[in-house]
Amino acid sequence: DAGITQSPRHKVTETGTPVTLRCHQTENHRYMYWYRQDPGHGLRLIHYSYGVKDTDKGEVSDGYSVSRSKTEDFLLTLESATSSQTSVYFCAISVGSGRGRMKGRTGTEAFFGQGTRLTVV
Amino acid sequence: KQEVTQIPAALSVPEGENLVLNCSFTDSAIYNLQWFRQDPGKGLTSLLLIQSSQREQTSGRLNASLDKSSGRSTLYIAASQPGDSATYLCAVEQDTGKLIFGQGTTLQVKP
Repeated sequence: DAGITQSPRHKVTETGTPVTLRCHQTENHRYMYWYRQDPGHGLRLIHYSYGVKDTDKGEVSDGYSVSRSKTEDFLLTLESATSSQTSVYFCAISVGSGRGRMKGRTGTEAFFGQGTRLTVV
Repeated sequence: KQEVTQIPAALSVPEGENLVLNCSFTDSAIYNLQWFRQDPGKGLTSLLLIQSSQREQTSGRLNASLDKSSGRSTLYIAASQPGDSATYLCAVEQDTGKLIFGQGTTLQVKP
């Protein structure tokens, strides 16, 4: 399972409150990702990290921030939760060669955590 | 913008049938394509990874093919079993580890 643990697994929170989800990995992988999964949209990338303090935005980053102060932990924060952020959140790591669009680079393989079901009421 | 489509959205078959799930993508500039399985309320389990230079990969009763030039991949499941019932997702990688997913095919295998 690539040693990925997400916490909490379930959370109900009120609109307007901040929420932090944690992803912890035990195998020292550099690349980590946060996705959300919604009916009709599938999985979409929120933010990603290529190393400690090296993070960037994905497709649906509005309303979210991330931090990575240690290799093993990648935190996703909803700054002020809204009902549209009700979703299932997945953390992933990827394993493989290289970074960026280098000629001859092969792709990476992704492994996912068990997910966090977040409900904003 | 890359778009990934999976057909059919849902499939119900009797046990023992061989079946094919389809995945298509609009931009052939990919590094790899990965097939996942997702059980209800669970995370994604990696099934097969096909690098862009490869044509197919096999694992047990599963065989995945990739035709990058036409933007297509298929997942072949031989001798289906009720335990194969799940949602199957395909995803393409265009930049380091960042995946673009299809919406999945939900498979039900009836005993």
